[in-house]
Parts: sequence; C-alpha cells; structure tokens
Amino acid sequence: EVQLLESGGGLVQPGGSLRLSCAASGFTFSSYAMSWVRQAPGKGLEWVSAISGSGGSTYYADSVKGRFTISRDNSKNMLYLQMNNLRAEDTAVYYCAKDRVVTPTGWFDSWGQGTLVTVSS
Amino acid sequence: QSVLTQPPSASGTPGQRVTISCSGSSSNIGTNYVYWYQQLPGTAPELLIYRNNQRPSGVPDRFSGSKSGTSASLAISGLRSEDEADYYCAAWDDSLSYVFGTGTKVTVL
Repeated sequence: EVQLLESGGGLVQPGGSLRLSCAASGFTFSSYAMSWVRQAPGKGLEWVSAISGSGGSTYYADSVKGRFTISRDNSKNMLYLQMNNLRAEDTAVYYCAKDRVVTPTGWFDSWGQGTLVTVSS
Repeated sequence: QSVLTQPPSASGTPGQRVTISCSGSSSNIGTNYVYWYQQLPGTAPELLIYRNNQRPSGVPDRFSGSKSGTSASLAISGLRSEDEADYYCAAWDDSLSYVFGTGTKVTVL
C-alpha cells in the first residue's frame, strides 16, 4: 500500500525558512516523479513544484521560483521542499503527491494527508 | 502561469446528471492530457479521471471525462449524496508547469 507522510509544517515569520519532508513507502520510490501541491485556507489547489524520479529534473511554479527548492533522497525514500523567504501568501496545507510515471505529468495517483504551513508575525 | 477555468458551483438532485466544464488553452488542455480530482470535505484530493477519460480502478462508471480542443468536461450521472465534494481539472502546461482548475463545488440537493 502506497503511503505518503508529510511533516515539517508549522508557524514561521515572514522572511523565514522551513523545510518540508515527505516519507514515502509501499512503492519503488525512484521510479516515480513527485510533486508538492498546496491549498490555501478555503481556496483551490495550486501546484508548487515537481521532480523527476532520478531527481535530475525539477520544475517550479512562478510564484515560488527562486525561493523554494525541491529535492529527493532515493536511498531514504524521502521528498523535500526547502522554503525560503516565506510570505503570508505561502500559508497553505502542503501535500506531496506521487506521479504515475518517472517524469512529471501531473497524473497524481496518491496523495499525502498534508502539512499546514502558516506564515505570520 | 495560466489557470484552468471552471464554474464555481454545480448542483443536482439524487439521480440527476451533472456536468462540470474546464476551459484551458492550446498550451495545456489543447496539447496535454486532462486529469480530474475529487476532494471530499476535510480530506486530500483523489484521482478521479486520468488521461482525459480513463477511470482508475475503484472509481464508479458514473464518472466520465471528455476533452475537445482546449476544453474538457466531467460528467457525474446518477448523482449520489456522497458525490458532494470539490472537483478540480488539471493539465500539464507547455511552459513546464502544471495547472489546476479553479475548482467546482458540487452540491446534492
């Protein structure tokens, strides 16, 4: 059974940093692309970033480009999102999502339960 | 980055058919597959339709997807109370990003 468990969310001040983690199990982690998707309170879904199965290719939404960095450790079955220079508008539940293939397509067949990031002074 | 446009709400009585539209552009829906996700209240999204019109195992055949040009649609036939949820379309964009629709809240009257 595929399991994705996010952690690392919390309260951070504007301009601060936070690192989210997603622990994956139940599948061959390196064979699938992964993404981060966020949802601001009461709002819709917004794709944040994606990474290929090898980690060699990364993609970002314009809203986070230059501030967020996605990475993965295939030896540990872990996905990360390093978030710097956080803004109030980054406040959201952050989900990690498993793609169906090794390159990002947005075919998310499994999702984690999400971790809440609140950016506020 | 562009966003796919959906109606904010849709509703129907039990047993009725409800259709949700999703409007995009030539750089996303026009050239890439469309996906649909269902988000029940307080839960994470789940895949409902992949590659325009394919249903994952376990998804009832009451749900169907279609695509034409730069638009797509999701149909729910035989509407049931458990279908009350938010629905999002999504597609990869040629600008190397992924775009979600604005979301549609389905209410069962």
